Amino acid sequence: QSALTQPASVSGSPGQSITISCTGTSTDVGAYDYVSWYQQHPGKAPKLIIYEVTNRPSGVSNRFSGSKSGYTASLTISGLQADDEADYYCSSYTSSATLIFGGGTKLTVL
Amino acid sequence: QVQLVQSGAEVKKPGASVTVSCKASGYTFSGYYMHWVRQAPGQGLEWMGWININSGGTDFAQKFQGRVTMTRDTSISTAYMELSRLRFDDTAVYYCVRNAGYYYMDVWGKGTTVTVSS
Repeated sequence: QSALTQPASVSGSPGQSITISCTGTSTDVGAYDYVSWYQQHPGKAPKLIIYEVTNRPSGVSNRFSGSKSGYTASLTISGLQADDEADYYCSSYTSSATLIFGGGTKLTVL
Repeated sequence: QVQLVQSGAEVKKPGASVTVSCKASGYTFSGYYMHWVRQAPGQGLEWMGWININSGGTDFAQKFQGRVTMTRDTSISTAYMELSRLRFDDTAVYYCVRNAGYYYMDVWGKGTTVTVSS
């Protein structure tokens, strides 16, 4: 099964909003509301920032929000801050009872 | 606090096997599934599979079927991932990750670097 499709890179200025897309198929993103998002800073383990499409874990800033339409899930970060510069990965449950990640998106804060 | 402590870095030759351990603390070990995820140098995350800690049942990504084994020892709250017939492109950081709720990963180990080199 191929990875979910994410843009390789996105960028934005401090204070702006950006959106990262995550496109799958009818057997993963389109079939289940089990999409999660992870933030990874260089040299660190990933961190959960969104689960079940729209939910934020305790302690995660409300500047992070998630949504889904059809086969595409999205992560929006509002009020960009320097510390948001990181790699972002989406993940989805699949009809094969497995999980799959997106290829990752590098966010640059200009 | 909830944490996953992984075993140290490994260097292996092609064709060999490697076992990575992951000791859990701060929560009821048997109450959660455990994922294994890897990340090759400069690459993205790759889901390898997961184990039901309570039953020992496993599911693997098709890519790793026949080459990966996931087990656990509930008496010492430790999960294990063994990858056999290692290839150069198995060089990666391997993470154990706790599953929470519906198919998301809430607690990550710090990772174990496995280098395959002749």
